[in-house]
Amino acid sequence: EDQVTQSPEALRLQEGESSSLNCSYTVSGLRGLFWYRQDPGKGPEFLFTLYSAGEEKEKERLKATLTKKESFLHITAPKPEDSATYLCAVQAGSARQLTFGSGTQLTVLP
Amino acid sequence: DSGVTQTPKHLITATGQRVTLRCSPRSGDLSVYWYQQSLDQGLQFLIQYYNGEERAKGNILERFSAQQFPDLHSELNLSSLELGDSALYFCASSVGSGDETQYFGPGTRLLVL
Repeated sequence: EDQVTQSPEALRLQEGESSSLNCSYTVSGLRGLFWYRQDPGKGPEFLFTLYSAGEEKEKERLKATLTKKESFLHITAPKPEDSATYLCAVQAGSARQLTFGSGTQLTVLP
Repeated sequence: DSGVTQTPKHLITATGQRVTLRCSPRSGDLSVYWYQQSLDQGLQFLIQYYNGEERAKGNILERFSAQQFPDLHSELNLSSLELGDSALYFCASSVGSGDETQYFGPGTRLLVL
């Protein structure tokens, strides 16, 4: 069974204080690892897809990286508007659905 | 805005009742996925339809059913509702039936009293 574990569960940062969120996974045959951002009561918003170890993608203050066992979402100089829950999901084997982790709730204080 | 629409936004009903949730995928997308998000379970996959046919099934209860219509919109039917069915229900869509990115709608919040 595919497993996705995210850490930490919650993270509080001061504005401008860079940090990283972790997503470790145990799957058979990773086909894609996805990062989403979710605001309270809203639907997950797509951020990145990573397909193979060593791949990196960037968007504004966010950078996602992938190894054979985990992915990191690096947040550089975060702003209060980056506050949200960040979800990691995998698609593996013959499955078409996404298996999600429980998320990291990020709060950026002004 | 992902381009996926869901109605209604909120639904309040009583135990034992039946409700229907509706989803319209992004223009050009053929797959629709349904997910349930509750506080204790996180986001859980329920079922996928591709171009009108069921393609994958997750932890969907027998009381729940779905279908995708020729215009590609989908409906999720929840019957004999229980208190524990209270959750956010999300629809996602993708272009094909495989490895493409899934884009999520705004969700329907269901409260069963």
